Order: sequence, then C-alpha cells, then structure tokens
Amino acid sequence: NAGVTQTPKFRVLKTGQSMTLLCAQDMNHEYMYWYRQDPGMGLRLIHYSVGEGTTAKGEVPDGYNVSRLKKQNFLLGLESAAPSQTSVYFCASSRGTGELFFGEGSRLTVL
Amino acid sequence: AQRVTQPEKLLSVFKGAPVELKCNYSYSGSPELFWYVQYSRQRLQLLLRHISRESIKGFTADLNKGETSFHLKKPFAQEEDSAMYYCALSLYSGAGSYQLTFGKGTKLSVIP
Repeated sequence: NAGVTQTPKFRVLKTGQSMTLLCAQDMNHEYMYWYRQDPGMGLRLIHYSVGEGTTAKGEVPDGYNVSRLKKQNFLLGLESAAPSQTSVYFCASSRGTGELFFGEGSRLTVL
Repeated sequence: AQRVTQPEKLLSVFKGAPVELKCNYSYSGSPELFWYVQYSRQRLQLLLRHISRESIKGFTADLNKGETSFHLKKPFAQEEDSAMYYCALSLYSGAGSYQLTFGKGTKLSVIP
C-alpha cells in the first residue's frame, strides 16, 4: 500500500504562475485535507473534502482552489502564485476520525 | 481564536531525563485530542489519542479538563525521540465532518 502520495515533491515557481498539486490515496478514505506548514505557524488547514465531489474551506483558503472529482484524488491549485505561498504542503486522508494519514509533503518555492 | 496552544517552540533535554511537552486547548464541548509526531525526513504520523489512554513509545498523555491541558510525557528521554511534536484538537465542522486543528508544534531535541 502506498498510502497517501503527493506529486510533485518539489517545485519552484515564479510569481504569477499557476500549478496543481496532486494527492492520491489508496485507502478508500472519504475525508481528504490540504495543510500548509510554515516555520513557527504549525499546520494550517487550507481546504478539505468530506467525499467525492465535495470541498470546503479551511483556515487559510485564499489563493487556493481544490477539486475532488474522484474519491482517491484531491487536487490543490494555485492560479496565480505569490511569494507568501512558499511553504511545505501536506495532504492527508482519514475515515473521519482524528487519525489522519499524511503524505510526504510538497515543498513549493515562489520567487 | 487559537484553539490549541503549545507554549514551547523548542525543548531540549538530556538523554534519560523526563520530558513534558505542554499542550493547552480551548473548546467548550467534549474535546478529542491527539499528539502527532514528525521525525526528521519522515511524514507526520499519529503518536497517540486521549481516548485510547495507551502508551506509545513510552509516551503518555492525560486529558485534564479542569486545566484544559493534554500534556505529553515520557519518564526517560531517548535520542530517537528527537522530533517535531504537534498537539491537535478534533472539531466538529458540520455535516458529519470533523477537522483537526493543530498547535504550532514543539521541537524536541534530546542531547546525548
């Protein structure tokens, strides 16, 4: 079992460029999440999904969009990247309990 | 409003010394609390949850509703305990779904 897989693992963007982070899970989990991790800020929830075709805003949703067209995939998009979006992004999935299964993270740098 | 507070960004202890990582929460309902750990170059993983009341890798955590705390403790620190530790609170967000709110994390460094 791969668990939760994120691609790409590293990416460098210029301000204004767009990109999509892909998260895939093979555990048949209903719930999926995108967090960002910044030094001194901990983990902050960007968006989440409670099932295929659903998405909801988390704590810091501005500048991001998400889609959950298939149960196993949760995409995070940046339409116009800004330096403030330089961060490590983590995807996670769960059955709806507090036990989240995390991906390895995607390090994004916006110049 | 900050729901989970971890007052220490960094905690350094000597090997064999006791460890206590502090966590305080703010929640009016019945809280469900967790500790997650991130070892160097590894993904975040669940360490323990308060409802299971178990000891994992020698760590325990007791929910104290009076003090709204969920401190993580270990009597004798080991070098392999060096990691980033996050306290998390599960919040009901409607429509049968729950969100985890994380504290800012405490980096534990165990000195040989």
